[in-house]
Amino acid sequence: RKEVEQDPGPFNVPEGATVAFNCTYSNSASQSFFWYRQDCRKEPKLLMSVYSSGNEDGRFTAQLNRASQYISLLIRDSKLSDSATYLCVVTPNTGNQFYFGTGTSLTVIP
Amino acid sequence: DAGITQSPRHKVTETGTPVTLRCHQTENHRYMYWYRQDPGHGLRLIHYSYGVKDTDKGEVSDGYSVSRSKTEDFLLTLESATSSQTSVYFCAISAQGAGGLRTQYFGPGTRLTVL
Repeated sequence: RKEVEQDPGPFNVPEGATVAFNCTYSNSASQSFFWYRQDCRKEPKLLMSVYSSGNEDGRFTAQLNRASQYISLLIRDSKLSDSATYLCVVTPNTGNQFYFGTGTSLTVIP
Repeated sequence: DAGITQSPRHKVTETGTPVTLRCHQTENHRYMYWYRQDPGHGLRLIHYSYGVKDTDKGEVSDGYSVSRSKTEDFLLTLESATSSQTSVYFCAISAQGAGGLRTQYFGPGTRLTVL
């Protein structure tokens, strides 16, 4: 069983739409959670950490549900520049190993 | 910017030849990683290092070796390249980010084609 699973999409949404991605993880002892963004032919870059109480950064909201072992990313008022692949990342309690989902592809359409 | 560079950025080589990829970091991070990324598989860990001369295998280490003789350099060697090793290779470090969580920062990647 994979450590982290994501719906690969693709998600094609119009500008201004709200879109949500989910990611499930298998290890209930996982400690830290992140969303990364990867543009085509570029390296993954940290988008935001995910905290237990949920957190927001502008149009982006991340949530963690430990009971159901999933994390989510909500993007409001989608922009063309949000088109990318979004990767969820989970770390076990050792803190220096990172498990990546395969990514969810988002295209925002004019 | 975590100060990570990779070289070469692109390489085409032939089956059976040895290839070495270099990752260089300027900020004295202890942990360094090599991943490969392929469609449908996402990022898969090849090897990682937790200090000079301290390395360990990841989930896809067969056919690869690594060395870390200096803190700033982590080398990945394909001992005898095969077409299945055609991929994009990313180096990463882990570091304390905002909020106190350790997270990863990536180099720009190396595109390797094995003919």
